[in-house]
Amino acid sequence: QVQLVESGGGVVQPGRSLRLSCAASGFTFSDSAMHWLRQAPVKGLEWVAVISPDGRSQYYADSMKGQFTISRDNSKNTVYLQKKTLTTEDTAVYYCARDLTFGTMAQGYFDSWGQGAVVTVSS
Amino acid sequence: IVLTQSPATLSLSPGDRATLSCRASQSVSSYLAWYQQKPGQAPRLLIYGASNRATGIPTRFSGSGSGTDFTLTISSLEPEDFAVYYCQQRSDWPTFGGGTRVDIK
Repeated sequence: QVQLVESGGGVVQPGRSLRLSCAASGFTFSDSAMHWLRQAPVKGLEWVAVISPDGRSQYYADSMKGQFTISRDNSKNTVYLQKKTLTTEDTAVYYCARDLTFGTMAQGYFDSWGQGAVVTVSS
Repeated sequence: IVLTQSPATLSLSPGDRATLSCRASQSVSSYLAWYQQKPGQAPRLLIYGASNRATGIPTRFSGSGSGTDFTLTISSLEPEDFAVYYCQQRSDWPTFGGGTRVDIK
């Protein structure tokens, strides 16, 4: 079955960087676009970024552009999310999710989710 | 695109019919999904394309609507259906509604 496992969360000081990983199994990873989303108590669910199956294209939410970097390594079945400078507003549960892809067409819906990585930004 | 869900909370009993609403600030055609989220869990895709059930979703869940007004209906609530429900559009970059909590009356 499809499994997505995030890692790299924890308590981080403001101004420090973050790198989250999401290890995928149970499906052909290189066939699927992959997303990162986050959920904070106040702001609710927010889509952060998507990366194409081959890793050549990345798209970001307008509010996240220039802050986050999404990448993937298809040889390791892993997708990553990086942010160089964290603020307290980045405190959230971060989820990776698989796109509901039909053939080669990404649909922009999220059909499988990881359990989430909790990131708390605090001094 | 802003999605507004109503009501914020729905208090119902098992066996009741639940009707949840999602309104978009502009037309999203049929590019709308519904998710269920239980405490401590990730969201689960229920409906995509406004009315298509995702794999393994029971037939008591149905979606309808197009343009700006959408409805998720749960025909007869089971105990495991008490949760928070979110709508999401993908007409533009994805955005989510604020959620409707369905709790036990």
